[in-house]
Amino acid sequence: DVKVTQSSRYLVKRTGEKVFLECVQDMDHENMFWYRQDPGLGLRLIYFSYDVKMKEKGDIPEGYSVSREKKERFSLILESASTNQTSMYLCASRPEDYGYTFGSGTRLTVV
Amino acid sequence: AQSVAQPEDQVNVAEGNPLTVKCTYSVSGNPYLFWYVQYPNRGLQFLLKYITGDNLVKGSYGFEAEFNKSQTSFHLKKPSALVSDSALYFCAVRDFLTGGGNKLTFGTGTQLKVEL
Repeated sequence: DVKVTQSSRYLVKRTGEKVFLECVQDMDHENMFWYRQDPGLGLRLIYFSYDVKMKEKGDIPEGYSVSREKKERFSLILESASTNQTSMYLCASRPEDYGYTFGSGTRLTVV
Repeated sequence: AQSVAQPEDQVNVAEGNPLTVKCTYSVSGNPYLFWYVQYPNRGLQFLLKYITGDNLVKGSYGFEAEFNKSQTSFHLKKPSALVSDSALYFCAVRDFLTGGGNKLTFGTGTQLKVEL
C-alpha cells in the first residue's frame, strides 16, 4: 500500500513563527498536494507539485510557500504563522489515475 | 471551474437501514467523480470513483454510487448501514488548474451518523 506520512499529528505554534509541515510518500508519485480542511469549507488546495523543484499555486496560496527538493518529500512552509492559519493540513500524492492517497493530517494551532 | 455540492451537513440513519449521501456536480465536459471518507483525526480514504462506463460504481466497504447524468448527481449509497460507517464523507470532482494539470475539488462534506 502507498503510504503518505506527515511528520506531526498535532502542532502548536506562536504567531509570527516560521512553521514547516513535512510530507513524505513512498511510491515514487510525481504529483503531490497540500490542502487545508476547515469545517463548512471542505478541503481547499494550497499548493501542488508535479515534479522535483516544480510547484504551482492552488486556490489559497497566500501566506504559504512550498519546497520539493526530492521526489518523495513535499514541505509546506508558513513564513509567519497567523491565527487564521489554524487548521487541519492534509498532504496527498497521486499517480496518473486520479486517485489520491492522503496522509493522516496535521492539526496546527497558532496561538 | 468544476464544482460539487453536498446539500446535507449531516445524515442520520439507523443501523441496518439503507443510507444515501447526496452529491450533485457542475462540470464542463465529462465528469470524473470521487467519494472519500474521513474518520476522526485521520486523513481521507478513497472509496470509489466514476470516470466512464457503468453508472453504478462499486467501491470499498460495501459502498456504491450511482452516476446520473440527467440529474447531475453522484449519490453514495449502502444497502445496510453499520455503526462503524459513521464518519465524514466528501464528494470530489476533477478540476483543472490555470497553470496546467488537474486537482480534486471537494464538497463541504456530510457527517454520517449511524445509530443503533
